[in-house]
Amino acid sequence: AQKVTQAQTEISVVEKEDVTLDCVYETRDTTYYLFWYKQPPSGELVFLIRRNSFDEQNEISGRYSWNFQKSTSSFNFTITASQVVDSAVYFCALSEEGAGNNRKLIWGLGTSLAVNP
Amino acid sequence: ETGVTQTPRHLVMGMTNKKSLKCEQHLGHNAMYWYKQSAKKPLELMFVYSLEERVENNSVPSRFSPECPNSSHLFLHLHTLQPEDSALYLCASSQEISGFGVTDTQYFGPGTRLTVL
Repeated sequence: AQKVTQAQTEISVVEKEDVTLDCVYETRDTTYYLFWYKQPPSGELVFLIRRNSFDEQNEISGRYSWNFQKSTSSFNFTITASQVVDSAVYFCALSEEGAGNNRKLIWGLGTSLAVNP
Repeated sequence: ETGVTQTPRHLVMGMTNKKSLKCEQHLGHNAMYWYKQSAKKPLELMFVYSLEERVENNSVPSRFSPECPNSSHLFLHLHTLQPEDSALYLCASSQEISGFGVTDTQYFGPGTRLTVL
């Protein structure tokens, strides 16, 4: 079975703090994809990043960075110098083989991040 | 319009009503999805359409009936719902490359907040 665990249910930080959101996954696939999405209070899930299992390079995009560690099956997300606008629920997801070669996503339960001024 | 749009954004209905949710994607994708998001639960995939054919139906009750008339439009017809069906219903689209097992990123609409009285 494939599973995605986001152990942190809620995190609260003060603006300008760095914060790391953890994601641990389980899979038997050799080729898989990992994703992070952001869900602000408006409800829309906003795509942040996709990483395939063969690319373990860390990624940085502005204040966001991702640390993919295949050895520990983790794909953690760090926000540097957090801002109030970062307040949202963040979801980690893993793709798995579905019907007809269409992969589907397995979702974590999400981490609710509150950034306070 | 850009991205993925959903109407209505909010819907309140009685258990005997019939209503429909509409999703439209303006991204030129060939796959569309319905998800249900309830509090404290992982995102639940309900239906997947690829090239306008339903490729996945995750044991969803028959009171939910999807329709995909073309690759840009997706509907979810609702009838005789139960209060436990109250949730955020999210539509997504992606470009699937069949035969290669490659998944592309799913892009989401803002969702319809459904309340069943």
